[in-house]
Amino acid sequence: GQQLNQSPQSMFIQEGEDVSMNCTSSSIFNTWLWYKQDPGEGPVLLIALYKAGELTSNGRLTAQFGITRKDSFLNISASIPSDVGIYFCAGPISNFGNEKLTFGTGTRLTIIP
Amino acid sequence: GAVVSQHPSWVICKSGTSVKIECRSLDFQATTMFWYRQFPKQSLMLMATSNEGSKATYEQGVEKDKFLINHASLTLSTLTVTSAHPEDSSFYICSAPVWGKETQYFGPGTRLLVL
Repeated sequence: GQQLNQSPQSMFIQEGEDVSMNCTSSSIFNTWLWYKQDPGEGPVLLIALYKAGELTSNGRLTAQFGITRKDSFLNISASIPSDVGIYFCAGPISNFGNEKLTFGTGTRLTIIP
Repeated sequence: GAVVSQHPSWVICKSGTSVKIECRSLDFQATTMFWYRQFPKQSLMLMATSNEGSKATYEQGVEKDKFLINHASLTLSTLTVTSAHPEDSSFYICSAPVWGKETQYFGPGTRLLVL
């Protein structure tokens, strides 16, 4: 089945630093989604990408849909304490829309005081 | 934005009992809902697709007689963990797609602890 691998697995940064993480797949996706999960909560959608090469921002977050359609990147600028959490990439399994999602392995972000 | 709720938010039960978890779409209708399970420090794993008015479809390795799903209306899906055992302890999350969008909105999750 389709697998999404995220790196790094975890990050320890200081407040104010920029963050970069990526997600790679062995197969092509037509949609890339980035979610954030706070402890004990369900994931919340951050950014959705629909076209290869697309670059989309949401505040301090920027995500890109890789040209090969097999990867995506998420950047967070000037990190703040509330950025702490687990970031997941996800893509539709069937690639035909409104279908079940497969999730990446996650990147856990910790901010060091 | 679309809102999905879950009830209860957490439950503790004895081994052998059954537990029902509700998932509701509050401001939109969902003919399809999804149920995920998440173990500590792991990613979300899809368990099953809940279909309004028809049988749920289960992912490989998920026992349909163990995890009963009922999608009785366009805003409610329920997951019943039957004869729960300690290994069923996990974080159960539902989601629902919004028609016309290739995204899903997730509920806040239900933490199940089986003693």
